[in-house]
Amino acid sequence: QVQLVESGGGVVQPGTSLRLSCVASGFSFSSYGMHWVRQAPGKGLEWVAVISYVGSNKSYADSVKGRFTISRDNSKNTLYLQMNSLRPEDTAVYYCGKDPSKVSWLGYIEYWGQGSLVTVSS
Amino acid sequence: DIQMTQSPSSLSASIGDRVTIICRASQSISSYLNWYQQKPGKAPQLLIHAASSLQSGVPSRFSGSESGTEFTLTISRLQSEDFATYYCQQSFNVPYTFGQGTELEIK
Repeated sequence: QVQLVESGGGVVQPGTSLRLSCVASGFSFSSYGMHWVRQAPGKGLEWVAVISYVGSNKSYADSVKGRFTISRDNSKNTLYLQMNSLRPEDTAVYYCGKDPSKVSWLGYIEYWGQGSLVTVSS
Repeated sequence: DIQMTQSPSSLSASIGDRVTIICRASQSISSYLNWYQQKPGKAPQLLIHAASSLQSGVPSRFSGSESGTEFTLTISRLQSEDFATYYCQQSFNVPYTFGQGTELEIK
């Protein structure tokens, strides 16, 4: 069965960096687009970024563009989110998710990880 | 960006009730509308994609429909496990925006 396991979250100070990882299993990771979605405490869902199956195409929410970078290592079945210049408003649970489309993406998430909490606070 | 507006924001209902949640898009999104269910402390789960296509494994009491830029999620007979928060999401173009959520509570 499809499993997505995030890691790398924690408490960091504003202005610093953090990298999240998402290890995938149970499907051919290298064939599917992947997403990051976040949820601030007590708030709704916010789409963050998407990457195509080989990593050549990427798209970001305006709120993270220029600060966050989505990437993947298909040899390790792992998705990453490099987060730089973190702000208190980036505090959230970050979920990785599998897109149903091979090659590119359809823009929705058919499988979700359990989430990783990032807290940005001084 | 495309704005997604859900109504109501919260809803109280009883087991066995029929419930409807509405999601309106700020512009045409064709049928690129998806519905998710989220329970407290858990990741969201996909219920419906492409406005009315039931995701595999989702009970048939869930259904989706569309009329122009208005989309509807219907739960035909509420079960205890359906009390959760529901989100719509457009996948017409980036950024892929979500509605603010509808919290479904037990009356």
